[in-house]
Amino acid sequence: GAVVSQHPSRVICKSGTSVKIECRSLDFQATTMFWYRQFPKQSLMLMATSNEGSKATYEQGVEKDKFLINHASLTLSTLTVTSAHPEDSSFYICSARGPVAGELFFGEGSRLTVL
Amino acid sequence: GNSVTQMEGPVTLSEEAFLTINCTYTATGYPSLFWYVQYPGEGLQLLLKATKADDKGSNKGFEATYRKETTSFHLEKGSVQVSDSAVYFCALSGLSGGTSYGKLTFGQGTILTVHP
Repeated sequence: GAVVSQHPSRVICKSGTSVKIECRSLDFQATTMFWYRQFPKQSLMLMATSNEGSKATYEQGVEKDKFLINHASLTLSTLTVTSAHPEDSSFYICSARGPVAGELFFGEGSRLTVL
Repeated sequence: GNSVTQMEGPVTLSEEAFLTINCTYTATGYPSLFWYVQYPGEGLQLLLKATKADDKGSNKGFEATYRKETTSFHLEKGSVQVSDSAVYFCALSGLSGGTSYGKLTFGQGTILTVHP
């Protein structure tokens, strides 16, 4: 069946560096993907909607210059956390609309730890 | 805007006990409703969903009925197992096929622990 894969699953980086997380639809084309953030023991918050070939739509309060989203192909969306700081440490999860109306698939999540 | 409220946890049960996790929502129009499960250190897995009023979603012994009159989507299971221990999230999305479909609003999550 349709699968969404995220990479890396875990990343540790130093403060001030940038980290890129990939969200890939493996056997279908995803024109729309979503990025969520989950703090420890908390719920998921939608960060942005990633649209293939156009700019991402960010939710209120999400810094677009901090969290760069690129959806350059029909199977790949990337989230880049720029100049990461410890407060950016979180679990980032992507999802994609499937090829059939009503389908929605989640990636496995990427845990970012900023030292 | 949309919102989802889940019963506060954590919930601790003995194996074979009956489970109910309450979920109520606020939304415009006719949202789709979901229950997701998250095991420790993992991503989300869809447990069940319902896309219109009076629909019942079911999977692995879990059930939830879309009640528009009470704006609820309570999760139930008749006999829980230790392997059901996880965090459960209720969520809603815009109408299936609509432009906002897939933008999920999540409840705060309910931690379920089942003891042997």
